[in-house]
Amino acid sequence: ETGVTQTPRHLVMGMTNKKSLKCEQHLGHNAMYWYKQSAKKPLELMFVYSLEERVENNSVPSRFSPECPNSSHLFLHLHTLQPEDSALYLCASSQWGLQGTGNTIYFGEGSWLTVV
Amino acid sequence: DAKTTQPTSMDCAEGRAANLPCNHSTISGNEYVYWYRQIHSQGPQYIIHGLKNNETNEMASLIITEDRKSSTLILPHATLRDTAVYYCIVRELETSGSRLTFGEGTQLTVNP
Repeated sequence: ETGVTQTPRHLVMGMTNKKSLKCEQHLGHNAMYWYKQSAKKPLELMFVYSLEERVENNSVPSRFSPECPNSSHLFLHLHTLQPEDSALYLCASSQWGLQGTGNTIYFGEGSWLTVV
Repeated sequence: DAKTTQPTSMDCAEGRAANLPCNHSTISGNEYVYWYRQIHSQGPQYIIHGLKNNETNEMASLIITEDRKSSTLILPHATLRDTAVYYCIVRELETSGSRLTFGEGTQLTVNP
């Protein structure tokens, strides 16, 4: 238990569907992240939110739409995805504004997404 | 962030120490060395981090060379559950934020 909870753990969706991934952190952190891990590839940073403001968007296609309603919750809205978007999507959180030990990033267990 | 180099894979016998090396020859003075591991189908798990002194916690020890160009993660008594991909990441910690850039990591296999 890392304090970062992701739901659902597994999701199968068609290319015309709209679905959302949810992440909740119980660590009191003020920054949250979405990472993507495709088969046999390193983790890729997708989005970063700090204090509910998006501070980074690493050239992610618009069919992925993040939402951060408060510092504890992060969503990734999915629509008209492609089969190549099938991957493990990981949420993480950390405390910005602190150096050293206080800035460690903690990950959830991930959501396995299959697009058919 | 500085780039790291790790062996692709390593094997270790159960109960023995696992020593995972990492080269980070271009590390700068304000960059920390972080280690994470990822057990198959799970999210990355934080293990340990350090700046220039050796560090130890309940999971592992981190030995950083004096010139900071390389480090070694030590799992003192490896178990089968330590089989995972281990990532060495060099990360600048700034007050405005921080990111982790993952490489390929080392696949550690602990054998019975």
